[in-house]
This record gives sequence, C-alpha cells and structure tokens, in this order.
Amino acid sequence: EVQLVESGGGLVQPGGSLRLSCAASGFTFSDHYMDWVRQAPGKGLEWVGRTRNKGNSYTTEYAASVRGRFTISRDDSKNSLYLQMNSLKTEDTAVYYCVRVYDAAVDIWGQGTMVTVSS
Amino acid sequence: DIQMTQSPSSLSASVGDRVTITCRASRGINNYLAWFQQKPGKAPKSLIYASSSLQGGVPSKFSGSGSGTDFTLTISSLQPEDFATYYCQQYDSYPLTFGGGTKVEIK
Repeated sequence: EVQLVESGGGLVQPGGSLRLSCAASGFTFSDHYMDWVRQAPGKGLEWVGRTRNKGNSYTTEYAASVRGRFTISRDDSKNSLYLQMNSLKTEDTAVYYCVRVYDAAVDIWGQGTMVTVSS
Repeated sequence: DIQMTQSPSSLSASVGDRVTITCRASRGINNYLAWFQQKPGKAPKSLIYASSSLQGGVPSKFSGSGSGTDFTLTISSLQPEDFATYYCQQYDSYPLTFGGGTKVEIK
C-alpha cells in the first residue's frame, strides 16, 4: 500500500524552529518529486514547496511566503522527506501535508501533522 | 503568480443532482489542472489531473474538462459521500497555486 506518514508537528514559539518528517512506503520514493502543502485552520490549501528527484539534482522550489525560512530535503536511502522550518511566524500555524508527485501532478497525500506557532 | 478563482464558493444540492464547479486561471495553464476533494478533518484526496484524467480508483461520476484558463469539475449524480470541499490546483508554473475551494452541502 502506498503510504505517506508525517511526524514532528507540535507547539513552537514565534521565531523558533521545527523539523517535519515524512516516511514513505509502498513505492519507489527515489523516483518521485515530493511536495509539502499546508492548510491553516479553517482555510484553504497552500503549496509550500517541492523537491525534485536525484535525476533532477534534488533541486527545490518554494512559495514566496516561506522562501529563505523553510528548507525541503530528502533522504532516498531512508525513504524520507523533510521540512526544516526556521524563524517561524504565527501565520505558519497549519496542518502540513506531505504529498507525492506523479506525472507532474499530486496523487497521494499523507494524513498531515499540525504545527502551532504561539507564545 | 497565477491566480485560481473557483466558483461558486459554496453550493447546496440534493442527492442525485448533477453538480458543476468552475475554476478559472488568471492566465493560460495548458491542461495542468488538478482537482481534489476534502472532507472535514481529513486529508485531501486527489480526483483528477491533466484537466480530465481520473486518478486511480476515482469513480467515473467525477469528470473534468477545460483548457487554457477555464476548467470544470462535474459530479454526475451527487451521493451522500460526495458532500465535501473541492479544490482546483494549477501545476503549470511556480508557485503552484490552489483555488479557494467550493463547499458542497446538502440541501
């Protein structure tokens, strides 16, 4: 079964850091681009960023709202995706979803992990 | 950035109704348009990619159409399990952007 399981969410103070992880199983993780998508409470979906695969040099793209503060990385040997979040702001409070990209489109979603930025 | 505008933002419909949701892009996105369904408290589910191709396991009552800037998602016969919020997303250019969502409620 294809599965994505996020972890690492929690409560953090403004200005703090947090690292989210996503464990992938049931498919060849290394072949795929992977994204992070977030959803603030009661709001719509917001694309956070993307990491390409090894064949595309693991290059990354980011939304303007997180560029310079968030870093997406991956470890293909561990079938894992990461989101390092620094200088967190209250507006970063959201459920963060790890998603698989297939043929350029999102096809599989994780269950999400909640990040709350508050003092 | 490409702005995605969904309409309506919400609608009320009855079981068995045919429902159509529209998504308009601020500039042409070829056919790089996806649709997602989200139920309360759950992760989104992918329904359609490339404007009209169904993701695996998605029932054929869902269909997508459109090209350029105007796209539609149609549910041919609304069932109780289809009451949810639907989002479109363009993946033609970065940053990828979502529509604001359409909440489909029971009449």
